[in-house]
Formats: sequence, C-alpha cells, structure tokens
Amino acid sequence: ELQLVESGGGSVQPGVGSLRLSCVASGFPFSTYSMNWVRLAPGKGLEWISYIGGSGRTIYYADSVKGRFTISRDNAKSSLYLDINSPRVEDTAVYYCARDLWIRRDGGSYYWSGMDVWGQGTTVTVSS
Amino acid sequence: EIVLTQSPGTLSLSPGERATLSCRASQSISSSYLAWYQQKPGQAPTLLIYGASSRATGVPDRFSGGGSGTDFTLTISRLEPEDFAVYYCQQYRSSSYTFGQGTKLEIK
Repeated sequence: ELQLVESGGGSVQPGVGSLRLSCVASGFPFSTYSMNWVRLAPGKGLEWISYIGGSGRTIYYADSVKGRFTISRDNAKSSLYLDINSPRVEDTAVYYCARDLWIRRDGGSYYWSGMDVWGQGTTVTVSS
Repeated sequence: EIVLTQSPGTLSLSPGERATLSCRASQSISSSYLAWYQQKPGQAPTLLIYGASSRATGVPDRFSGGGSGTDFTLTISRLEPEDFAVYYCQQYRSSSYTFGQGTKLEIK
C-alpha cells in the first residue's frame, strides 16, 4: 500500500525556536519520486510551500517561506523533512507531504500529472 | 507567479444535478500541467484530474475536466452525496506550483 505518514507537528511561539516535520514513505521506491510539502491554514485554501527532487539536488520554495523553511530528504530512510525556523503566526496550518506523479504521455515524454499520494497531515500552531 | 482564480467560491446544488467549476489562470499555462483535487473536512486532498482532462486512477467517470490556455473547468455530471467537498485546481510551471483558492460545493 502506498503510504505517507507525517509527524513532528506541535506548538511553537512566534520567532522562537524551530520545528522539524517528518514524512515517512512506504510502498514505493521513494528515491525515484520528487516530493512536496503543502499546507492548509485555518479558513484558507491549499498552499504549496516546497519541492525536492528525487536525488535531493533540486529544491524550490514558495516566496512565503523562502529563507525560513528548509526541505531535505534521506532516501536511505525513505524520509522527507521540513525544518521550520523563525515561525510566524501565519505558518499555523496542517502540513501535508505529497508525492509528485510523472506519467509518460504523448509517445514518450514525462509530464507532471498531479500529486497522487498524500499523508494525513500534521498540525503546526504558532502562537504566543 | 501564476495566479489561479476559481469560481464560484461556493456552489449550492442538489444531488443528481450537474456541477461546473471554473479555474482561470493569470497567464496561459500548458494543459499538461493542470490538475484538480477534492478535499473533504479533516482529510487530505485526493487527485481527481491531471493534464486538464485525464482522470486519476479510480476516479468515477462522472468527473471530467477540460479547457486550455487560461480557462479550465471541472464538471461533475450527476452529483452524488459524497461529492460535496472543496475542489482545488493546481498548476505546475517553472519551478513553482500554485493552487486556486478553492470552490466549496455544498448541498442545497
């Protein structure tokens, strides 16, 4: 069974300390897939926040978290991480890890085809 | 950054009716990189449509997607009780992903 399980959420004060979110994958060859973190803040919509390629060499961030969040992965442990530093109240959200799906279409090229496997989410609360 | 604007914000319909949800991009995007998701309260999103019009594995055929350029639609041909949820479009381009703000499909 394809599965992603997040952990590490909790409460933290604004600007103080840090959190490390973890996501453990099972049921598929983790190192061959690019992965993402996506969050859902209370009363808001989904927000993509970070991407990492299968090898870990290619990394992207949304502007809202650039310089404060760090994505990483350990393929030997089938694990994805998100380090949250200098937390802000607006970082309060449920954080999901999600797998990118790439499908060969149109006779040979691979195309991004959505995020097809998601974890159950872990909640981060930033409050004084 | 490409902005996706979904409309309407809330859609009130009855089971058995047809639902049409819209997603408009701030600039032209490749239909190959447009996806739709369903999210129910307390649950993770699930992939419905990729490549603007291809159904993901296990998605019922009452769900269909279409469009190109800047205008995309998700259609649910005949609403079932389990279809009432929030729907998001998403695009991927140039090292960035963006989601629309979502359409809430509620029971009338």
